[in-house]
Amino acid sequence: GAVVSQHPSRVICKSGTSVKIECRSLDFQATTMFWYRQFPKQSLMLMATSNEGSKATYEQGVEKDKFLINHASLTLSTLTVTSAHPEDSSFYICSARDPGLAGGQYEQYFGPGTRLTVT
Amino acid sequence: QQQVKQSPQSLIVQKGGISIINCAYENTAFDYFPWYQQFPGKGPALLIAIRPDVSEKKEGRFTISFNKSAKQFSLHIMDSQPGDSATYFCAATLQYSSASKIIFGSGTRLSIRP
Repeated sequence: GAVVSQHPSRVICKSGTSVKIECRSLDFQATTMFWYRQFPKQSLMLMATSNEGSKATYEQGVEKDKFLINHASLTLSTLTVTSAHPEDSSFYICSARDPGLAGGQYEQYFGPGTRLTVT
Repeated sequence: QQQVKQSPQSLIVQKGGISIINCAYENTAFDYFPWYQQFPGKGPALLIAIRPDVSEKKEGRFTISFNKSAKQFSLHIMDSQPGDSATYFCAATLQYSSASKIIFGSGTRLSIRP
């Protein structure tokens, strides 16, 4: 299957600072990327959907000004956690949708995740 | 109507046994039902998937059984191995819709005892 990378894999930051997480589709162009958040022993929670060249669509309850998403190219989306607080500590996972499959169906590939710890 | 309910929450199976995880959905418009496997500290990876026009799909030791009338589907892991210990998520989506999102189940933590 296609490969999606995330960087960094782990990050520790101090409360009040901002952190940027990158998500890249390595061997396909992704017009749509998704950002998820996962707490320990829980399922993935969709935070937002980003489409290349347009503003991200946030899920209900997700603060747009806190979680800034940019999808500037067909292979790169970034999530910036602004003014991070300890409660933002979580596992953040991106995924990218490959629209180029034969038959017209979409397949979504997930990145390896980024562990954010805010101290 | 968008929910996917998954059970059990956790499962312990002896090595060589059969692991069974069940899911139920409500939205009959869903046309694609993937299962994801997630190891600790890693992102989920697609394990196997099925479309509602078939009742069963098998890939190696992994089988999905699909009951369209009951709106239920299940994952069977035959000859379960310690390396299968992971969290499994069932999911549902509309695979031909550009606006579709993946709806995940709550997950099942599977432990295979040697």
